Amino acid sequence: QLLLQESGSRLVKPSQTLSLTCGVSGGSISSGAYSWTWIRQSPGKDLEWIGYIYHSGSTYYNPSLQSRVSISADRSKDQFSLNLRSVTAADTAVYYCARVYMGAFDVWGQGTMVTVSS
Amino acid sequence: QSVVTQPPSASGTPGQRVTISCSGSSSNIGNNYVSWYQQLPGAAPKLIIFKNDERPSGVPDRFSGSKSGASASLAISGLRSDDEADYYCATWDGSLSGPYVVFGGGTKVTVL
Repeated sequence: QLLLQESGSRLVKPSQTLSLTCGVSGGSISSGAYSWTWIRQSPGKDLEWIGYIYHSGSTYYNPSLQSRVSISADRSKDQFSLNLRSVTAADTAVYYCARVYMGAFDVWGQGTMVTVSS
Repeated sequence: QSVVTQPPSASGTPGQRVTISCSGSSSNIGNNYVSWYQQLPGAAPKLIIFKNDERPSGVPDRFSGSKSGASASLAISGLRSDDEADYYCATWDGSLSGPYVVFGGGTKVTVL
């Protein structure tokens, strides 16, 4: 069974960089059938797609976050990571990692709450 | 304000059929697959429909999806109390520099 688990800083100061890692177990991120993505959800609000990394290593980002975000993968460790720079309180959210299959997000991590505060 | 719109709420009594709409445009729903997610309180979203109308293994056939033009719908038949959740549609949009994902604003389903 494929499991995804987010880890990283739960509290980030304004203007600093939010860094999260998604560990994948029960499968490999090197499989050509899948891509890997980050999605967030502000408290009581909608889901917002952040970006994804294709199995080839290509990345695509939400245009509204593109100037601040980067996603990378470490295939030797079966994990992929999110960096979001220059954070503000508006970046406070639950961050989810997920697998992309056939254009849908078929396996999700449990999510991790990240708070931006001084 | 999402480019893909859903009604904020829907409701029904146990056993009824509830339908949720998801409206977009030719740059997103009109030319891309739609997926649907169920989010129970305090939990991560769960995929219930992909490629417009396909169900992942384990999802009851009470859940069905459809798409016509730039709109899609999720139907829940035989409504149950444990169907009370937020439901989100999602699709891809190719109108800017690369493919990106848009989510609907979510619909809260209440079982009366």
